[in-house]
Amino acid sequence: KAGVTQTPRYLIKTRGQQVTLSCSPISGHRSVSWYQQTPGQGLQFLFEYFSETQRNKGNFPGRFSGRQFSNSRSEMNVSTLELGDSALYLCASSLFRAAETQYFGPGTRLLVL
Amino acid sequence: DQQVKQNSPSLSVQEGRISILNCDYTNSMFDYFLWYKKYPAEGPTFLISISSIKDKNEDGRFTVFLNKSAKHLSLHIVPSQPGDSAVYFCAASPNGGSQGNLIFGKGTKLSVKP
Repeated sequence: KAGVTQTPRYLIKTRGQQVTLSCSPISGHRSVSWYQQTPGQGLQFLFEYFSETQRNKGNFPGRFSGRQFSNSRSEMNVSTLELGDSALYLCASSLFRAAETQYFGPGTRLLVL
Repeated sequence: DQQVKQNSPSLSVQEGRISILNCDYTNSMFDYFLWYKKYPAEGPTFLISISSIKDKNEDGRFTVFLNKSAKHLSLHIVPSQPGDSAVYFCAASPNGGSQGNLIFGKGTKLSVKP
């Protein structure tokens, strides 16, 4: 069974631009969560999608948004990029719930200049 | 306010010896706990989990111990190998994983020296 895939793996943007990251969950998994990892901050939960609906949201500004498609694939969008948005963005999937065992993709490394 | 704390940012252990990674939590509603391992430039990999109805779970060289009264869990790796060098994250969730999301600690970087 293929694991969680994320594209692109690396991205360089400038301040003020927007970016869209993509995630394909493990086949059969319906819950997709997004995390931001920065040095020394661990994994900070952004949001969770299930059945094309945002079910849970972390403490991030509205510039961070996402969506999920009928095939469970998910995208995350960050608008008006700031330098502090430079981070590793991780997508994780689980069968039904974000509180279950999650399986992570390799992440997208975003650098904002 | 950190609900899951890994107070040791780093740990260095000799190959063949035991590695003990610790994690404390504050939310008494947490009842499902997990450990993940992360290599640089890769996503975290699930290692082992434990629910609050147990106090120990073992999988090969990895054992997780849960002390509910102390709100403390630990991951033991025996024997440690150089390939175990990675960042280890502890995570917790409430209500048997039926709602909410995983809450992660900030991680402990384990270095296993040959």
